[in-house]
Amino acid sequence: KAGVTQTPRYLIKTRGQQVTLSCSPISGHRSVSWYQQTPGQGLQFLFEYFSETQRNKGNFPGRFSGRQFSNSRSEMNVSTLELGDSALYLCASTLGLGFANLQFFGPGTRLTVL
Amino acid sequence: GQNIDQPTEMTATEGAIVQINCTYQTSGFNGLFWYQQHAGEAPTFLSYNVLDGLEEKGRFSSFLSRSKGYSYLLLKELQMKDSASYLCAVSKDNAGNMLTFGGGTRLMVKP
Repeated sequence: KAGVTQTPRYLIKTRGQQVTLSCSPISGHRSVSWYQQTPGQGLQFLFEYFSETQRNKGNFPGRFSGRQFSNSRSEMNVSTLELGDSALYLCASTLGLGFANLQFFGPGTRLTVL
Repeated sequence: GQNIDQPTEMTATEGAIVQINCTYQTSGFNGLFWYQQHAGEAPTFLSYNVLDGLEEKGRFSSFLSRSKGYSYLLLKELQMKDSASYLCAVSKDNAGNMLTFGGGTRLMVKP
């Protein structure tokens, strides 16, 4: 089975712009979670989608949003980019819901905001 | 809230054993994961504990004590390729697949 794929792998934007990142989960996986990883804050949960519905949301401002399509692919969007949004954005897919479902991470999208 | 603590950095010698500790404070604990992350790469799953005790998987073992809010990852027969960050993460009841991660422990293995 192919793993989790994320596009693009690298992105450079300027402050005030918006960006859309894409994640394709492992075939058959229905849950997709997004995380932001920075040297200072580590890995922080952004949101989780299951069956096109947002199930959980982390403590991030409304500039961060996401969605999931019927084929389980997911996108996240960041509007009005700030310098502090520079980070590695990781997507993780899981077979189902809840208890101890193992998450498989994609390679990430490294976003640099200038 | 949740608080997950692990040492920032550790150094060990090739062939030795190293123990990476993780302490957590969380309500509704539902399991603890260990992930390995090499620089510039995605985290990869190492182990999962939900009940107290030791889980062994080859050179890697993980231990959990729920009453103490404590876990450790034990790496035996260290190899140079084990140089990486090791992430402790906790899942909570009623939180879907959300994981809360510690800051990670960067392990350097020296010859």
